[in-house]
Amino acid sequence: DVKVTQSSRYLVKRTGEKVFLECVQDMDHENMFWYRQDPGLGLRLIYFSYDVKMKEKGDIPEGYSVSREKKERFSLILESASTNQTSMYLCASSSGTASNQPQHFGDGTRLSIL
Amino acid sequence: GQQLNQSPQSMFIQEGEDVSMNCTSSSIFNTWLWYKQEPGEGPVLLIALYKAGELTSNGRLTAQFGITRKDSFLNISASIPSDVGIYFCAGQPPDSNYQLIWGAGTKLIIKP
Repeated sequence: DVKVTQSSRYLVKRTGEKVFLECVQDMDHENMFWYRQDPGLGLRLIYFSYDVKMKEKGDIPEGYSVSREKKERFSLILESASTNQTSMYLCASSSGTASNQPQHFGDGTRLSIL
Repeated sequence: GQQLNQSPQSMFIQEGEDVSMNCTSSSIFNTWLWYKQEPGEGPVLLIALYKAGELTSNGRLTAQFGITRKDSFLNISASIPSDVGIYFCAGQPPDSNYQLIWGAGTKLIIKP
């Protein structure tokens, strides 16, 4: 089974802090994704990566950056956290294109910015 | 950008009832996916649809890829308490190899 592991289930940080969310997958998947989930809005894509050191902006990249130094690890960085970044963050991975390989998700990190 | 309309937003049903939800778009998709999310967990894939008109079942779940490629539905027969959760549809646009467009979700609640 595919295993996508997010380092923290819950995280509380202060406004202005630099925040790192880590995600690791164990299936040698090429593609990794970061989403945020807010009630009534579904999943919104922040960034994705289709290879090591490659990254593409999603629909809402403002205020975020990412790092993919190794194939199995994809980090989401909040450079200076703000209260409107309080949300559930979901990491996913997939092999190949979406048309033949669906995305597999971690259990999420619920981030609160005070 | 492209959007998916998922309905209903929430459903309150009795155990044993059948459930139906759907997603529609103004644009075509190459793939439709249905996921379920339980409290405190990430979404889990239920059914993947790859061809227009395709009808696929997974136990009590049945989903169809609309002929127009602009819609999909998910049916759950004889609901049970563990069906509770949020169901999401997601579609892959023709111009993207990686990105999915997501519906806002249907929250399923089963009345005791």
